[in-house]
Amino acid sequence: AQSVTQLGSHVSVSEGALVLLRCNYSSSVPPYLFWYVQYPNQGLQLLLKYTSAATLVKGINGFEAEFKKSETSFHLTKPSAHMSDAAEYFCAVSDKSNSGYALNFGKGTSLLVTP
Amino acid sequence: EPEVTQTPSHQVTQMGQEVILRCVPISNHLYFYWYRQILGQKVEFLVSFYNNEISEKSEIFDDQFSVERPDGSNFTLKIRSTKLEDSAMYFCASRVTGDYEQYFGPGTRLTVT
Repeated sequence: AQSVTQLGSHVSVSEGALVLLRCNYSSSVPPYLFWYVQYPNQGLQLLLKYTSAATLVKGINGFEAEFKKSETSFHLTKPSAHMSDAAEYFCAVSDKSNSGYALNFGKGTSLLVTP
Repeated sequence: EPEVTQTPSHQVTQMGQEVILRCVPISNHLYFYWYRQILGQKVEFLVSFYNNEISEKSEIFDDQFSVERPDGSNFTLKIRSTKLEDSAMYFCASRVTGDYEQYFGPGTRLTVT
Protein backbone atom coordinates (compact mmCIF):
# COMPACT_ATOMS: atom_id res chain seq x y z
CA ALA A 1 0.00 0.00 0.00
CA GLN A 2 1.07 3.54 -0.64
CA SER A 3 2.14 5.68 2.31
CA VAL A 4 3.52 9.14 3.07
CA THR A 5 5.99 10.45 5.61
CA GLN A 6 5.96 14.04 6.77
CA LEU A 7 9.25 15.23 8.17
CA GLY A 8 8.86 17.61 11.08
CA SER A 9 5.79 17.53 13.27
CA HIS A 10 6.19 21.24 13.99
CA VAL A 11 7.53 23.99 11.75
CA SER A 12 7.88 27.60 12.81
CA VAL A 13 8.44 30.46 10.37
CA SER A 14 8.37 34.22 10.60
CA GLU A 15 5.65 36.14 8.83
CA GLY A 16 6.87 36.84 5.29
CA ALA A 17 9.35 33.96 5.26
CA LEU A 18 9.34 30.93 2.99
CA VAL A 19 7.18 28.01 4.07
CA LEU A 20 8.51 24.53 3.29
CA LEU A 21 6.64 21.47 4.53
CA ARG A 22 8.14 18.14 3.57
CA CYS A 23 6.38 15.03 2.36
CA ASN A 24 7.90 11.85 0.98
CA TYR A 25 5.84 9.04 -0.43
CA SER A 26 6.24 5.35 -0.87
CA SER A 27 4.48 3.81 -3.81
CA SER A 28 5.07 1.02 -6.29
CA VAL A 29 2.87 2.75 -8.85
CA PRO A 30 2.55 6.41 -9.89
CA PRO A 31 0.73 7.99 -6.98
CA TYR A 32 -2.01 10.53 -6.62
CA LEU A 33 -0.89 12.98 -3.94
CA PHE A 34 -2.72 15.63 -1.96
CA TRP A 35 -2.11 18.33 0.60
CA TYR A 36 -4.91 19.16 3.02
CA VAL A 37 -5.06 21.92 5.61
CA GLN A 38 -6.92 21.75 8.89
CA TYR A 39 -7.61 24.91 10.88
CA PRO A 40 -8.37 24.54 14.59
CA ASN A 41 -11.67 22.77 15.24
CA GLN A 42 -12.43 22.53 11.54
CA GLY A 43 -12.50 19.88 8.85
CA LEU A 44 -10.01 19.13 6.11
CA GLN A 45 -9.70 21.50 3.18
CA LEU A 46 -7.89 20.52 -0.01
CA LEU A 47 -4.95 22.79 -0.81
CA LEU A 48 -3.77 21.07 -3.97
CA LYS A 49 -3.47 17.73 -5.72
CA TYR A 50 -1.16 15.87 -8.08
CA THR A 51 -2.82 13.34 -10.36
CA SER A 52 -0.08 12.75 -12.99
CA ALA A 53 -0.47 15.94 -14.99
CA ALA A 54 1.95 18.85 -14.44
CA THR A 55 4.61 18.13 -11.80
CA LEU A 56 4.40 21.64 -10.36
CA VAL A 57 0.97 22.05 -8.87
CA LYS A 58 -0.50 25.33 -7.73
CA GLY A 59 -3.15 25.41 -5.05
CA ILE A 60 -5.20 27.81 -3.04
CA ASN A 61 -3.86 30.57 -0.77
CA GLY A 62 -0.59 30.84 -2.68
CA PHE A 63 0.63 27.32 -1.94
CA GLU A 64 2.30 25.07 -4.47
CA ALA A 65 3.96 21.67 -4.50
CA GLU A 66 6.33 19.90 -6.85
CA PHE A 67 6.15 16.19 -7.57
CA LYS A 68 9.68 14.80 -7.83
CA LYS A 69 9.70 11.17 -8.78
CA SER A 70 13.48 10.80 -8.40
CA GLU A 71 13.24 11.97 -4.80
CA THR A 72 9.80 10.45 -4.10
CA SER A 73 8.82 13.82 -2.70
CA PHE A 74 5.89 16.19 -2.81
CA HIS A 75 6.96 19.12 -0.66
CA LEU A 76 4.59 22.01 -0.04
CA THR A 77 5.87 25.58 -0.35
CA LYS A 78 4.67 29.14 -0.09
CA PRO A 79 6.98 32.07 -0.82
CA SER A 80 5.74 34.33 1.97
CA ALA A 81 3.98 33.12 5.11
CA HIS A 82 0.97 34.90 6.48
CA MET A 83 -0.33 34.72 10.01
CA SER A 84 -3.50 33.08 8.70
CA ASP A 85 -1.44 30.13 7.39
CA ALA A 86 -1.02 28.81 10.92
CA ALA A 87 -2.71 25.41 10.84
CA GLU A 88 -2.12 21.67 10.61
CA TYR A 89 -1.06 20.41 7.19
CA PHE A 90 -1.53 16.85 6.03
CA CYS A 91 0.04 15.14 3.05
CA ALA A 92 -1.96 12.20 1.70
CA VAL A 93 -1.60 9.56 -0.99
CA SER A 94 -4.47 7.83 -2.74
CA ASP A 95 -4.08 4.12 -2.30
CA LYS A 96 -4.44 2.60 -5.76
CA SER A 97 -4.23 -0.90 -4.33
CA ASN A 98 -7.50 -0.04 -2.68
CA SER A 99 -10.40 -0.12 -5.12
CA GLY A 100 -12.03 2.80 -3.35
CA TYR A 101 -8.84 4.92 -3.60
CA ALA A 102 -8.88 5.64 0.11
CA LEU A 103 -6.46 8.27 1.34
CA ASN A 104 -3.46 7.39 3.50
CA PHE A 105 -2.48 10.43 5.50
CA GLY A 106 0.81 11.48 6.99
CA LYS A 107 1.02 12.39 10.66
CA GLY A 108 0.70 16.06 9.89
CA THR A 109 2.85 19.13 10.34
CA SER A 110 1.75 21.95 12.57
CA LEU A 111 2.77 25.29 11.08
CA LEU A 112 3.34 28.19 13.45
CA VAL A 113 3.76 31.68 12.00
CA THR A 114 5.38 34.27 14.25
CA PRO A 115 5.15 38.05 13.81
CA GLU B 1 -20.71 25.68 -3.58
CA PRO B 2 -21.84 22.13 -2.74
CA GLU B 3 -20.43 20.72 0.47
CA VAL B 4 -20.50 17.61 2.60
CA THR B 5 -22.47 18.05 5.80
CA GLN B 6 -22.33 16.03 9.01
CA THR B 7 -24.58 15.81 12.04
CA PRO B 8 -24.29 16.14 14.92
CA SER B 9 -21.21 18.30 15.31
CA HIS B 10 -20.59 16.85 18.75
CA GLN B 11 -21.95 13.66 20.30
CA VAL B 12 -21.41 12.55 23.86
CA THR B 13 -22.31 8.98 24.75
CA GLN B 14 -21.72 6.47 27.47
CA MET B 15 -19.54 3.43 26.96
CA GLY B 16 -21.55 0.53 25.56
CA GLN B 17 -24.15 2.70 23.87
CA GLU B 18 -24.87 2.71 20.15
CA VAL B 19 -24.25 5.85 18.14
CA ILE B 20 -25.12 6.80 14.59
CA LEU B 21 -23.16 9.50 12.84
CA ARG B 22 -24.80 11.04 9.83
CA CYS B 23 -23.43 12.50 6.64
CA VAL B 24 -24.96 14.04 3.55
CA PRO B 25 -22.44 13.73 0.70
CA ILE B 26 -22.40 16.04 -2.29
CA SER B 27 -25.35 15.11 -4.47
CA ASN B 28 -23.61 13.85 -7.63
CA HIS B 29 -20.87 11.97 -5.76
CA LEU B 30 -20.93 8.19 -5.83
CA TYR B 31 -17.98 7.24 -3.60
CA PHE B 32 -18.28 7.74 0.15
CA TYR B 33 -15.79 7.40 2.96
CA TRP B 34 -15.44 7.53 6.71
CA TYR B 35 -12.22 8.52 8.43
CA ARG B 36 -11.41 9.17 12.04
CA GLN B 37 -8.86 11.30 13.84
CA ILE B 38 -8.04 10.59 17.44
CA LEU B 39 -6.97 13.76 19.22
CA GLY B 40 -3.40 14.66 18.30
CA GLN B 41 -3.01 11.82 15.82
CA LYS B 42 -3.25 11.44 12.07
CA VAL B 43 -6.39 10.93 10.04
CA GLU B 44 -7.11 7.22 9.58
CA PHE B 45 -9.21 5.53 6.92
CA LEU B 46 -12.13 3.45 8.14
CA VAL B 47 -14.24 2.43 5.17
CA SER B 48 -15.16 3.23 1.59
CA PHE B 49 -18.59 2.66 0.06
CA TYR B 50 -19.72 2.50 -3.54
CA ASN B 51 -22.79 1.18 -5.31
CA ASN B 52 -24.48 0.36 -2.02
CA GLU B 53 -21.74 -1.81 -0.68
CA ILE B 54 -18.45 -1.56 1.16
CA SER B 55 -15.56 -1.46 -1.31
CA GLU B 56 -12.74 -1.45 1.22
CA LYS B 57 -12.32 -1.30 4.97
CA SER B 58 -9.40 -0.94 7.33
CA GLU B 59 -8.44 -3.07 10.30
CA ILE B 60 -10.07 -0.48 12.53
CA PHE B 61 -13.45 -1.14 10.95
CA ASP B 62 -14.38 -4.24 12.92
CA ASP B 63 -17.75 -5.84 13.63
CA GLN B 64 -18.70 -2.97 15.93
CA PHE B 65 -18.90 -0.66 12.94
CA SER B 66 -21.37 -0.59 10.08
CA VAL B 67 -22.28 1.81 7.31
CA GLU B 68 -25.48 2.36 5.45
CA ARG B 69 -27.00 4.55 2.81
CA PRO B 70 -30.59 4.45 3.98
CA ASP B 71 -31.90 6.76 1.27
CA GLY B 72 -30.66 8.75 -1.69
CA SER B 73 -28.90 11.40 0.35
CA ASN B 74 -27.71 10.17 3.75
CA PHE B 75 -24.67 8.03 4.56
CA THR B 76 -24.37 6.79 8.12
CA LEU B 77 -21.74 5.25 10.36
CA LYS B 78 -23.02 3.17 13.26
CA ILE B 79 -20.94 2.08 16.21
CA ARG B 80 -22.83 -0.68 17.99
CA SER B 81 -21.26 -0.64 21.42
CA THR B 82 -18.95 2.30 21.94
CA LYS B 83 -15.65 2.03 23.77
CA LEU B 84 -13.59 4.78 25.35
CA GLU B 85 -11.06 4.45 22.54
CA ASP B 86 -13.73 5.29 19.96
CA SER B 87 -13.52 8.90 21.13
CA ALA B 88 -12.34 10.79 18.05
CA MET B 89 -13.32 13.18 15.32
CA TYR B 90 -15.12 11.31 12.55
CA PHE B 91 -14.98 12.71 9.05
CA CYS B 92 -17.17 11.81 6.14
CA ALA B 93 -15.89 12.38 2.61
CA SER B 94 -17.19 11.89 -0.91
CA ARG B 95 -15.97 12.08 -4.47
CA VAL B 96 -17.18 11.81 -8.04
CA THR B 97 -16.29 9.03 -10.44
CA GLY B 98 -13.04 9.74 -12.27
CA ASP B 99 -11.73 12.38 -9.87
CA TYR B 100 -9.69 11.23 -6.90
CA GLU B 101 -10.14 14.39 -4.87
CA GLN B 102 -12.20 13.75 -1.77
CA TYR B 103 -14.38 16.44 -0.24
CA PHE B 104 -14.53 16.30 3.52
CA GLY B 105 -17.28 17.27 5.89
CA PRO B 106 -16.63 19.34 9.03
CA GLY B 107 -16.58 16.24 11.23
CA THR B 108 -18.44 14.90 14.24
CA ARG B 109 -16.59 14.91 17.52
CA LEU B 110 -17.54 11.74 19.40
CA THR B 111 -16.82 11.65 23.11
CA VAL B 112 -17.32 8.33 24.91
CA THR B 113 -17.48 8.56 28.69
